[in-house]
Amino acid sequence: DGGITQSPKYLFRKEGQNVTLSCEQNLNHDAMYWYRQDPGQGLRLIYYSQIVNDFQKGDIAEGYSVSREKKESFPLTVTSAQKNPTAFYLCASRRLADSNNEQFFGPGTRLTVL
Amino acid sequence: DQQVKQNSPSLSVQEGRISILNCDYTNSMFDYFLWYKKYPAEGPTFLISISSIKDKNEDGRFTVFLNKSAKHLSLHIVPSQPGDSAVYFCAASFLSGTYKYIFGTGTRLKVLA
Repeated sequence: DGGITQSPKYLFRKEGQNVTLSCEQNLNHDAMYWYRQDPGQGLRLIYYSQIVNDFQKGDIAEGYSVSREKKESFPLTVTSAQKNPTAFYLCASRRLADSNNEQFFGPGTRLTVL
Repeated sequence: DQQVKQNSPSLSVQEGRISILNCDYTNSMFDYFLWYKKYPAEGPTFLISISSIKDKNEDGRFTVFLNKSAKHLSLHIVPSQPGDSAVYFCAASFLSGTYKYIFGTGTRLKVLA
């Protein structure tokens, strides 16, 4: 059945290490998004991509990188340059032709940097 | 600069009563608004949306009202059920260009049995 998968659900890394979070969708959606959620804050946009091989910075892109080599995949790398990487990361996707502008979210990955 | 604000971080309501969640925005160019519901350690799920050309949209127990002059929207849940207990986020977006969402900070709703 169709959906968005994020793996792993929980991830622990040592400070200074880069880490890549996976996001895959089989909904044939055009656009994909990465958000982070911190306690008491809304979801903040890190990066988004509307077509393959193209992506744009969101509001808090510093310390992150992405790639969009395939329509169904949009991995996020949290680099050692990200000052405060511990957070809950959410991936979303949407079909650009949909008039209701709904984004579908994956289950999230909780990253803890020790 | 928070473009979308949910000023009530939490709300408690008795089962069967109405829950009203509020959201204010500053950018008059937003033309589409959505409400999402989120349980802990899960991704948000879409609840209901409204275009800026409307002032009300209803779906079962959920109704969203939009007051463009006040730059305010609200979500009404009637009757509230214990399963509605979750964090609710409003999001404002554009129907062209980037289609980006700007999320509010969320309101935690607790429905008491």
